[in-house]
Amino acid sequence: DTEVTQTPKHLVMGMTNKKSLKCEQHMGHRAMYWYKQKAKKPPELMFVYSYEKLSINESVPSRFSPECPNSSLLNLHLHALQPEDSALYLCASSQGRQGFSNIQYFGAGTRLSVL
Amino acid sequence: AQKVTQAQTEISVVEKEDVTLDCVYETRDTTYYLFWYKQPPSGELVFLIRRNSFDEQNEISGRYSWNFQKSTSSFNFTITASQVVDSAVYFCALSGDNTGKLIFGQGTTLQVKP
Repeated sequence: DTEVTQTPKHLVMGMTNKKSLKCEQHMGHRAMYWYKQKAKKPPELMFVYSYEKLSINESVPSRFSPECPNSSLLNLHLHALQPEDSALYLCASSQGRQGFSNIQYFGAGTRLSVL
Repeated sequence: AQKVTQAQTEISVVEKEDVTLDCVYETRDTTYYLFWYKQPPSGELVFLIRRNSFDEQNEISGRYSWNFQKSTSSFNFTITASQVVDSAVYFCALSGDNTGKLIFGQGTTLQVKP
């Protein structure tokens, strides 16, 4: 089973709202990733957690705040977003420590619209 | 610097035609991995294949086949007897360091018409 579950599937929020995206996997993976994908573009890496510790932050604005409460769960807290933040947000996980050989398994994403 | 180029932005074929998606990569690493992912309209990226830089054997999985040639830095993907369900965006990706970062190509949108 290679399932990564993301909720919600769709989210509409105003620029003053606070919301959270949730990602869950039960494959025993220890690396988890957040990506942002704009229409007709490839995914862009935002954050990587390895063994529940933040290991990569790709200079993401502070209005995006990741959290990894345990090895199965990854959250992305959103606050004071801008309309240009509207995108598909994808979560992925991979076995073991982050590494270049690891296969990343992706969820179906959350389609976010910021009004 | 690492880079992946998928020169074909969009391809349209009629069902049962064979189609090849091109992928050319650049890296200075001697050890690296190449991947193909499929992204249907639902949004999820579906893993298709991983290939390491030391294994140049071609691979076939059902109607899918991959041709890896280090001499030309290419990792092309062929779908034989295409079906409507193959319609999706296909991404080629490269991973060459231990950060776990995937360097994606721009993607090729494949439309298979009935």
